[in-house]
Amino acid sequence: AQRVTQPEKLLSVFKGAPVELKCNYSYSGSPELFWYVQYSRQRLQLLLRHISRESIKGFTADLNKGETSFHLKKPFAQEEDSAMYYCKETSGSRLTFGEGTQLTVNP
Amino acid sequence: NAGVTQTPKFRILKIGQSMTLQCAQDMNHNYMYWYRQDPGMGLKLIYYSVGAGITDKGEVPNGYNVSRSTTEDFPLRLELAAPSQTSVYFCASSLGVGLLTFFGQGTRLTVV
Repeated sequence: AQRVTQPEKLLSVFKGAPVELKCNYSYSGSPELFWYVQYSRQRLQLLLRHISRESIKGFTADLNKGETSFHLKKPFAQEEDSAMYYCKETSGSRLTFGEGTQLTVNP
Repeated sequence: NAGVTQTPKFRILKIGQSMTLQCAQDMNHNYMYWYRQDPGMGLKLIYYSVGAGITDKGEVPNGYNVSRSTTEDFPLRLELAAPSQTSVYFCASSLGVGLLTFFGQGTRLTVV
């Protein structure tokens, strides 16, 4: 079965510090990977996807097939980045979300 | 476009009561999903649908039923509410797998 692992449930950094939210997947084929963000009292929204290789709000994520990882990174965290982040993998007709990482950026 | 619309936003049910969570999307998406999000936990897939008339179980389908008679609507039914079903429920839709998924604002359900 597909598995998406986000090893850190909670992550706390100071404003201006680099941040990395880890995501590992188990699918051995060609996965489609995404990061979603949920700000307080808001709905989930797409942050970025690996196929577009984009940078959104300063975040980037690189697919590393050798390590089966799709870690989310930002060089300088901002207070407004505080949110719940979910890694998602799709294959076939199924989607699998990780458990989520609650990021807190302290002033 | 309204996107994905869920109703109600909040609901309190007594044990054994039944209710239907409504979900509608106006983007002509084939795929629709129901997730639950328990406190401190990730999203769990309850049911999903790949098109009108087609539904399939997700990870945690017990205690729920769905139907997909139209492309737009994907209601989730709780027949006999239990305290374990206290959660926040999210409906979502996408044009296809691997494509952008849109989420509703969520329904906070409490079963007492």
